[in-house]
Amino acid sequence: DTGVSQDPRHKITKRGQNVTFRCDPISEHNRLYWYRQTLGQGPEFLTYFQNEAQLEKSRLLSDRFSAERPKGSFSTLEIQRTEQGDSAMYLCASSLDGRGVNTEAFFGQGTRLTVV
Amino acid sequence: AQSVTQLDSHVSVSEGTPVLLRCNYSSSYSPSLFWYVQHPNKGLQLLLKYTSAATLVKGINGFEAEFKKSETSFHLTKPSAHMSDAAEYFCVVSDWRGNDMRFGAGTRLTVKP
Repeated sequence: DTGVSQDPRHKITKRGQNVTFRCDPISEHNRLYWYRQTLGQGPEFLTYFQNEAQLEKSRLLSDRFSAERPKGSFSTLEIQRTEQGDSAMYLCASSLDGRGVNTEAFFGQGTRLTVV
Repeated sequence: AQSVTQLDSHVSVSEGTPVLLRCNYSSSYSPSLFWYVQHPNKGLQLLLKYTSAATLVKGINGFEAEFKKSETSFHLTKPSAHMSDAAEYFCVVSDWRGNDMRFGAGTRLTVKP
């Protein structure tokens, strides 16, 4: 499978616990995005990497959230001290650099987080 | 900054009738525009994209969209709806390099037999 892979697919955690999600982008895609989607809403931008550099962070990304992309390959999104409001689907996407026409993002299946 | 407004949260059509899902965008730059579809419990799938080439863009499954700069619109159409088209549809805008991708709130398409 050469698509975007996210792990785990589902995570149930108790309030206050830390969680970490992993995203493996399509090979050679130099951009990687994280989005959050709550029920009935469109995906909301969280952060974006160009290779290993984190270029933009949304105001939605409080200091409890941190994302990394060491070596410009896979990425992790960590949420510390989870709150019930963090319950959502966390989506990862990857794309090629937009100098040409390859600007569309390919999405993974997402990680559904439930904080109880 | 970019943003999109999907004008209808829910559209219901009968099978075999035309589909129109409306999207207006706002962009400080020459935008790239996309339509994605999300079926229940499935990932987001790209339907079509506009990146400053032809203004009428054809996508998968018979969908197409027309970029109208004067109206800042990028409406999605299909001549004849199929039951399998029932899903959530998202209009997305980014700058021409694909930066700053912003999603609309989505339009839920229901197809009646």
